Amino acid sequence: SQQGEEDPQALSIQEGENATMNCSYKTSINNLQWYRQNSGRGLVHLILIRSNEREKHSGRLRVTLDTSKKSSSLLITASRAADTASYFCATSKGGTSYGKLTFGQGTILTVHP
Amino acid sequence: GAGVSQSPRYKVAKRGQDVALRCDPISGHVSLFWYQQALGQGPEFLTYFQNEAQLDKSGLPSDRFFAERPEGSVSTLKIQRTQQEDSAVYLCASSLLGRAYEQYFGPGTRLTVT
Repeated sequence: SQQGEEDPQALSIQEGENATMNCSYKTSINNLQWYRQNSGRGLVHLILIRSNEREKHSGRLRVTLDTSKKSSSLLITASRAADTASYFCATSKGGTSYGKLTFGQGTILTVHP
Repeated sequence: GAGVSQSPRYKVAKRGQDVALRCDPISGHVSLFWYQQALGQGPEFLTYFQNEAQLDKSGLPSDRFFAERPEGSVSTLKIQRTQQEDSAVYLCASSLLGRAYEQYFGPGTRLTVT
């Protein structure tokens, strides 16, 4: 079963706008990651945030993590048509589950040119 | 360098047939993972190898699913007596030892059981 839920399930915006996606999870985690998946291509790792971090930036991406609320958000600024894809958050717990990523259900982002 | 490759990319099987899905990890990646992704869902963990040792198979849905990695490189996921509910994309990922949180994914094999 999936650990997390993401919202919105689908998001449609115009090029140049910002896109925000949210992810909630159920158990304590070691880190949380965001992945992008285009149709016909594999999952691409975007950014990782550790449980002791609150915010992280990478280019046009900004990720926040609130472990007290068990939630994370991904902000894509100045979106482009090429950002159209499904976005998934994934958590890992460490210990004997170290290698196991638990994914959310994903947000489908459509950026209109 | 070359990424994770999977073959075949598409597989159609009649219900009851056995299938074998192959994964070639990135050279030097000790850890290998299999995930199952149903249509419209996120991937779900199936199993994890470190070299040839299968350290976690808690996600395999039934005893019809079997994975192996006999020489610690290429892995095969075998599904016996396929059922319609097995229809999904099967993703393979690999990572360096000690960096299992940083997994590189292959393009997947789309299995359709008719």
